[in-house]
Order: sequence, then C-alpha cells, then structure tokens
Amino acid sequence: EAGVTQFPSHSVIEKGQTVTLRCDPISGHDNLYWYRRVMGKEIKFLLHFVKESKQDESGMPNNRFLAERTGGTYSTLKVQPAELEDSGVYFCASSQGPGGYEQYFGPGTRLTVT
Amino acid sequence: AQSVTQLGSHVSVSEGALVLLRCNYSSSVPPYLFWYVQYPNQGLQLLLKYTSAATLVKGINGFEAEFKKSETSFHLTKPSAHMSDAAEYFCAVSSSNSGYALNFGKGTSLLVTP
Repeated sequence: EAGVTQFPSHSVIEKGQTVTLRCDPISGHDNLYWYRRVMGKEIKFLLHFVKESKQDESGMPNNRFLAERTGGTYSTLKVQPAELEDSGVYFCASSQGPGGYEQYFGPGTRLTVT
Repeated sequence: AQSVTQLGSHVSVSEGALVLLRCNYSSSVPPYLFWYVQYPNQGLQLLLKYTSAATLVKGINGFEAEFKKSETSFHLTKPSAHMSDAAEYFCAVSSSNSGYALNFGKGTSLLVTP
C-alpha cells in the first residue's frame, strides 16, 4: 500500500510568486490534514478536510493560503503571493477517521521563499 | 485549548542507556496522546498512541509511554538506546475540542553516543 506522497519535495521561489503544493493521501482515507513547521518552531496545524469538505481551517495563516481537495482525493495548497515568512516544511497527513486513528504523514515539502 | 510541552530540545544518551523523553500536556477534555519520530529526510512516523485504553502503551522499536492523568504526563522511554534511535521525537495531543487535529510539542532531538 502506497503511503502519503507530496510534491514537490523542495521548492524555492521568490517573494511575490505563487506556489502550489500537492498531497496524495492513502487511498480510502477520508481525512486529510495539512501542517507546517517553520524553522525553530513547532509543527502547526493548518486545516482538515473530510472528503472534499473543509472541516476546520482555523490554522490557515491568512487569505494568501488556499487549500482544495478535488473529489475527495488529492489536495493542493496554494500560496499566493508568497512571503518570506511562509518558508518552512509543509506536511500532509491522512487518516481513516478522527479521534484516535493514526495520522500517516507524508515526507513534507520544503518551501523556501527568497 | 490544549497544548504540549516537551522538556529539553536536545537530549544526549550513551548507547545502551535508558532513554527518557518528557512530555506534559494540557487538555480540558479527555485527550488522545501520540509520540511521533522523524528520521533525517523522512516524514513523521507514529511510535505509539494513547486512546483511553491501557495507560501503559507499547510502541514500535522497543519504546513505551505511560499516561499519568494526575501528572498530565506522557513520557516516552526505552530501556536501552541504539545508535539508530537518533532522530527527532514529537509528542502530540488531540481531542474533540481540536477537531482531532494534532497539537505538537516543539520536538526533542535525541543524540546517541557510542
């Protein structure tokens, strides 16, 4: 069984540009989460999808971030326009359900905004 | 609100020595607690989880953790460290209040010396 995959693994963009990160969850996992770790800080929750619906987006930093989950399968996270403080590692995780179900994490996308 | 505090951003142990990584949590409702490990250039991997069953939880690679409600703690232990245990370890809490999103501690880097 394939795990959670993320693309790209690294992205270097200039301030003001747009970047789109992609996450493919484990097949059959309805719950999909995005997290971010800024250097030196803890991993922070961004948002949670259940199938194609946003269950909780309370962690999204501002309206420059837009997440979608087409047809309840893969998800994209777009940053437009990117700012220097958006640099960090973006993790995607998926799970069969909420609560005590394990969240399976992807390897992350390292975003550097210069 | 809920949160996690991991004491010690860096812990160093000798090979064969006891590993003890500390985690204290705060939650106004019964929590789910998790320990994740991140090896270099990899995603987060679940070591073990507490979901209100047994208070002593055994995980992979010889790790275990004990849930102590009175102390609001969930410390991670391993009797004998191996060189391969060198990694970053994250304690996380979730509950119905957070929509089951994970709230992470800042992480503890474990160094194992020969």
